[in-house]
Amino acid sequence: EAGVTQSPTHLIKTRGQQATLRCSPISGHTSVYWYQQALGLGLQFLLWYDEGEERNRGNFPPRFSGRQFPNYSSELNVNALELEDSALYLCASSFNRINSYEQYFGPGTRLTVT
Amino acid sequence: AQSVAQPEDQVKVAEGNPLTVKCTYSVSGNPYLFWYVQYPNRGLQFLLKYITGDNLVKGSYGFEAEFNKSQTSFHLKKPSALVSDSALYFCAVRVLNRDDKIIFGKGTRLHILP
Repeated sequence: EAGVTQSPTHLIKTRGQQATLRCSPISGHTSVYWYQQALGLGLQFLLWYDEGEERNRGNFPPRFSGRQFPNYSSELNVNALELEDSALYLCASSFNRINSYEQYFGPGTRLTVT
Repeated sequence: AQSVAQPEDQVKVAEGNPLTVKCTYSVSGNPYLFWYVQYPNRGLQFLLKYITGDNLVKGSYGFEAEFNKSQTSFHLKKPSALVSDSALYFCAVRVLNRDDKIIFGKGTRLHILP
């Protein structure tokens, strides 16, 4: 069974540009989660999508947005990039039913803003 | 507000000794609790979960965790540590309420000394 995949592996952008990160969940999973892992700050919850809808978002500004497609894949968009957006962005997927809430993570996209 | 605390930034244990990585939580409602591990240059991997039932849950790689409702804790344990257990460990909690999301602790770096 294929795991969660993310693309690209690395992304280098300059301040003010936009970044688009992509995620494909495990087959059958309907929920996709996005996290930011900045150095020394642990995992910060960004967004949660399930069945094509945004279910919840973390304490991030509106320039962080995303969507989930009918095939349950997802993309994360970051507009007006700032230097502090440099981080590892992790995507995870799960079923959204009791006893199956554990998440399976992709390898991440390393975003560097210069 | 929901929160998860991992009080130790790092834990050092000699190989062959038992290990404990601590996690406490604060939620309103019944928690679903998880442990994840992040090996260097790899994504997070699911280790184990507590949903309901037996307070002692067993997971991957010989790890187990004990749910203690009165102390609101979910400590990760292993009877005999291996050098290969050296990694970053995250505790996470989810409560199915109006603000349904998953909160991760800041992580504990486990060093197993040969």
